[in-house]
Amino acid sequence: DAGITQSPRYKITETGRQVTLMCHQTWSHSYMFWYRQDLGHGLRLIYYSAAADITDKGEVPDGYVVSRSKTENFPLTLESATRSQTSVYFCASGIAGGPQYFGPGTRLTVL
Amino acid sequence: DQQVKQNSPSLSVQEGRISILNCDYTNSMFDYFLWYKKYPAEGPTFLISISSIKDKNEDGRFTVFLNKSAKHLSLHIVPSQPGDSAVYFCAASPLTGANSKLTFGKGITLSVRP
Repeated sequence: DAGITQSPRYKITETGRQVTLMCHQTWSHSYMFWYRQDLGHGLRLIYYSAAADITDKGEVPDGYVVSRSKTENFPLTLESATRSQTSVYFCASGIAGGPQYFGPGTRLTVL
Repeated sequence: DQQVKQNSPSLSVQEGRISILNCDYTNSMFDYFLWYKKYPAEGPTFLISISSIKDKNEDGRFTVFLNKSAKHLSLHIVPSQPGDSAVYFCAASPLTGANSKLTFGKGITLSVRP
């Protein structure tokens, strides 16, 4: 089905483990984004990508790594998870100058 | 420094009445504004947008008003329905420029009472 999907939808991990959150879109949008949503903060941009092999930091990039080898995929990796990274993560995609369309989110708990 | 502010955390209105959700911004470079709606356990859904060349944009029950001199925008929902109960996020972006990054407000929880 067309759209934007995220996996897993729920993840529990332990401090220090590496975790990768997946994001896939079928619209061939050039831009993709990763946000985290925390109580009292709204949505904060972690990383974004303007095209394959082009990525840039957002507001809260520390502790995260991204890659974009294909236009449709934009995985987010937590190299060594910390409790402060417990959050809901949203992936989004869009075209330049247009709205962003969001995936359903991944709820990550770091114990 | 919060560049997009939604100062009221919540709003409760009666079904059938108008809901007015407000948003203020501080960055003069912003010229594209959006509203998103979010239900629990779902991703935000794009509702409506407006560029700075307009002061009003309408889509069905939803109208967004932009006052550039006051750096203020508002979302009007008429008539409000119980299904409109959700968190609403205001977002802004510099339309010119390549990166299309959005800056979001913290959101406002709308409750529509039957």
